[in-house]
Amino acid sequence: EIVLTQSPGTLSLSPGERATLSCRASQSVASTYLAWYQQKPGQAPRLLIYGASTRATGIPDRFSGSGSGTDFTLTISRLEPEDFAVYYCQQYGSSPFTFGPGTKVDIK
Amino acid sequence: QVQLVESGGGVVQPGGSLRLSCAASGFTFSSYVMHWVRQAPGKGLEWVAFILYDGSTKDYADSVKGRFTISRDNSKNTLYLQMNSLTAEDTAVYYCAKNGKTVTSPSAFDYWGQGTLVTVSS
Repeated sequence: EIVLTQSPGTLSLSPGERATLSCRASQSVASTYLAWYQQKPGQAPRLLIYGASTRATGIPDRFSGSGSGTDFTLTISRLEPEDFAVYYCQQYGSSPFTFGPGTKVDIK
Repeated sequence: QVQLVESGGGVVQPGGSLRLSCAASGFTFSSYVMHWVRQAPGKGLEWVAFILYDGSTKDYADSVKGRFTISRDNSKNTLYLQMNSLTAEDTAVYYCAKNGKTVTSPSAFDYWGQGTLVTVSS
């Protein structure tokens, strides 16, 4: 089983600032099968990034993903008020399709 | 548009059973791998199970293996999760989710239902 670790646990930032979220895997993620999801309170997760760096349909270009192997990053270039949420990384290359514990981005 | 609507959640006693359903619409259900993912109150996401588009292959998280069964009825565009021998640790919102691609190669989950709450309590 691939274990995903996310850091930091909480990121306190102001609107307009840049957010950098990290996801580290316990072993290499095959073919960059790494996704990022956003979840707001009371809502289902929403797919942001797949294949480590490809934005899903309708996702603004302020969201970008990078990385390969065991180290991945989600960057939000300029935080908008609607971006304050919890972000999860997930590997979907091999079952079980594990999620990281999440990073909460809250308003400073 | 794609819609996934879960139902069947509720309160069940420890040791009891429950069957969840996920009604799909807006896409060719029989062409997609489907998943169940759960989220305990205040906790993160946990993948539970997947089933291939034709039901021929299934897999489960170790935490539910031997107790939960995923199935689908492509004629009814519906995904199911039969949950037996429930414990308090199974208390969670259960989401169904679809793969983003029709082929069986790995894919992120591009659409999710709104979830259904299962509470295991005496």
